[in-house]
Amino acid sequence: DIVMTQSPDSLAVSLGERATIYCKSSQSLLYLSNNKKHLAWYQQKPGQPPKLLIYWAYTRESGVPDRFSGSGSETDFSLTISGLQAEDVAVYYCQQYYDVPPTFGQGTKLEI
Amino acid sequence: QVQLQESGPGLVKPSETLSLTCTVSGGSVNSGRYYWSWIRQSPGRGLEWIGYIYYSGSTNYNPSLKSRVTISIDMSKNQFSLNLTSVTAADTAIYYCARGRGGFDPWGQGTLVTVSS
Repeated sequence: DIVMTQSPDSLAVSLGERATIYCKSSQSLLYLSNNKKHLAWYQQKPGQPPKLLIYWAYTRESGVPDRFSGSGSETDFSLTISGLQAEDVAVYYCQQYYDVPPTFGQGTKLEI
Repeated sequence: QVQLQESGPGLVKPSETLSLTCTVSGGSVNSGRYYWSWIRQSPGRGLEWIGYIYYSGSTNYNPSLKSRVTISIDMSKNQFSLNLTSVTAADTAIYYCARGRGGFDPWGQGTLVTVSS
């Protein structure tokens, strides 16, 4: 299985500041046939299911604010939240869909 | 807007079979664009993909659970289901159904299943 490792485990950022969460995969997630990185990011608030924020490593899902952005290489990825708002408090997960089984990172808890 | 809703018993005895159903509304499971997945979440295991089924009936399961898992689809009811046999306390988790095409979206609200006698 591809192992996804996130850092840090928790993060406290002031309102209006920038938060960056990192995710490292144990192998490349770049699929050569489509030249896309098979990596997604999710946001999970208490009592709710995960919500898809970003796929193909940097494509925002419809309706996701543009303060959320994704980037990365073949194995090292990041999710950046610019201008942190109170509603962004949540646990964030990365997930690879390069190979079966799809696997998730352990999560990063973002606090104000 | 597609919505998914899990249903099934919240308590299952050890060694018995966990059975859940996911009802899809606002869309059809008879779509070649998506995979219909089960995912579970527990404090000890985090988010764990269980498996998926395609509209054709083809399935793919997590190797760690493959010997105990069956996912089926019912086009007439627009549902897909999960059976997990020989459960133990380690199978206690929130179980989600989700539509997949790479990333998973949307997800059902989840249902807590506790394995206990």
